[in-house]
Amino acid sequence: SQQGEEDPQALSIQEGENATMNCSYKTSINNLQWYRQNSGRGLVHLILIRSNEREKHSGRLRVTLDTSKKSSSLLITASRAADTASYFCALSGNTPLVFGKGTRLSVIA
Amino acid sequence: ETGVTQSPTHLIKTRGQQVTLRCSSQSGHNTVSWYQQALGQGPQFIFQYYREEENGRGNFPPRFSGLQFPNYSSELNVNALELDDSALYLCASSTAKQGGSYNSPLHFGNGTRLTVT
Repeated sequence: SQQGEEDPQALSIQEGENATMNCSYKTSINNLQWYRQNSGRGLVHLILIRSNEREKHSGRLRVTLDTSKKSSSLLITASRAADTASYFCALSGNTPLVFGKGTRLSVIA
Repeated sequence: ETGVTQSPTHLIKTRGQQVTLRCSSQSGHNTVSWYQQALGQGPQFIFQYYREEENGRGNFPPRFSGLQFPNYSSELNVNALELDDSALYLCASSTAKQGGSYNSPLHFGNGTRLTVT
């Protein structure tokens, strides 16, 4: 099965700074999705980027996809304490969505 | 629009017992997926149901079974519970046009925290 690997495992930043997390993978994909999970809660879908797209924006979120390098990045601009959560990438193709271990983001006020 | 709801929120069982977890899909969704998430790990795919048929299964033993009902609600049953089954169980619904799909965004419930002692 295909699984993305998020990097870094943990990230701690000050409120107002930008946060960047990366996802690398090894197989071909139809699309790549990013999710957020607050502690002990369900995952929330953030953004979906298709394999023929290179960049997508949603509010303070910017996602890029480089299929030649098999990698994606999620940028959160002007971070807030409420952005503190775990972030997961999930690869979509002909197999079920598979999640990595995620990046734990801590935004310090 | 009603979101995905799961019940119960917390559950404590003894090793060897059986458990049933329930999920109500988001309105209009015809596909449900179940995931197991151990502490500090990412969600692990258990199986997916599309129009009441199992549409894909992860690396879980047969004692993990499921059902999807005509109203697209779902159950996850686990028999002969083991200590390692302690985890957060997440249900997610989505829409698929035909044959089930793995490409649609998933809408998750807040999970059932199962503790096996």
